[in-house]
Amino acid sequence: GESVGLHLPTLSVQEGDNSIINCAYSNSASDYFIWYKQESGKGPQFIIDIRSNMDKRQGQRVTVLLNKTVKHLSLQIAATQPGDSAVYFCAETTYGQNFVFGPGTRLSVLP
Amino acid sequence: NAGVMQNPRHLVRRRGQEARLRCSPMKGHSHVYWYRQLPEEGLKFMVYLQKENIIDESGMPKERFSAEFPKEGPSILRIQQVVRGDSAAYFCASSPPSLGTDTQYFGPGTRLTVL
Repeated sequence: GESVGLHLPTLSVQEGDNSIINCAYSNSASDYFIWYKQESGKGPQFIIDIRSNMDKRQGQRVTVLLNKTVKHLSLQIAATQPGDSAVYFCAETTYGQNFVFGPGTRLSVLP
Repeated sequence: NAGVMQNPRHLVRRRGQEARLRCSPMKGHSHVYWYRQLPEEGLKFMVYLQKENIIDESGMPKERFSAEFPKEGPSILRIQQVVRGDSAAYFCASSPPSLGTDTQYFGPGTRLTVL
């Protein structure tokens, strides 16, 4: 289930289930969106991106959906594995400037 | 194919000292970004630089903080007269020179602790 802690919201999923991480972005002019994964003690790692002229993009086990009408971005992870446990950030930008990161969601994969 | 490199990885300073954080972008990248991250929080944009130019410093405090990206050498984020509130992880990211948008690739970060 999903809960909101003092800082980071946390999503707990069973290993093998699909995960959906949501992000609301703020700027309707943003034209490029990125999902990053950050493991403890490490820098953010690029997962997948999508441009504003698309509404869906698929990678290996990951899919990003963009709904510009409601300014919503989601990251779907298929068959979640223990190695997927991390904090996930969405980021938006306009013309490569003003990168704005969301607050992050901690994904916890349960055995 | 070295990624973005940052040093030092950990830096301890006493209040009032100076902190200098270095970032070497990926080969071929000419855009550098600096971010600050507090524990359990997201990344906050500080400054965006290209070689010898500051493009956007809207996220950087007006006092004590400065950044540069010289023609030769790494980008430097400098914090003068550090205070305890400066303790955080500072991440650098780089992107290639191109028009429009490009993904930023992050370094491992420098964790600054102010005693």
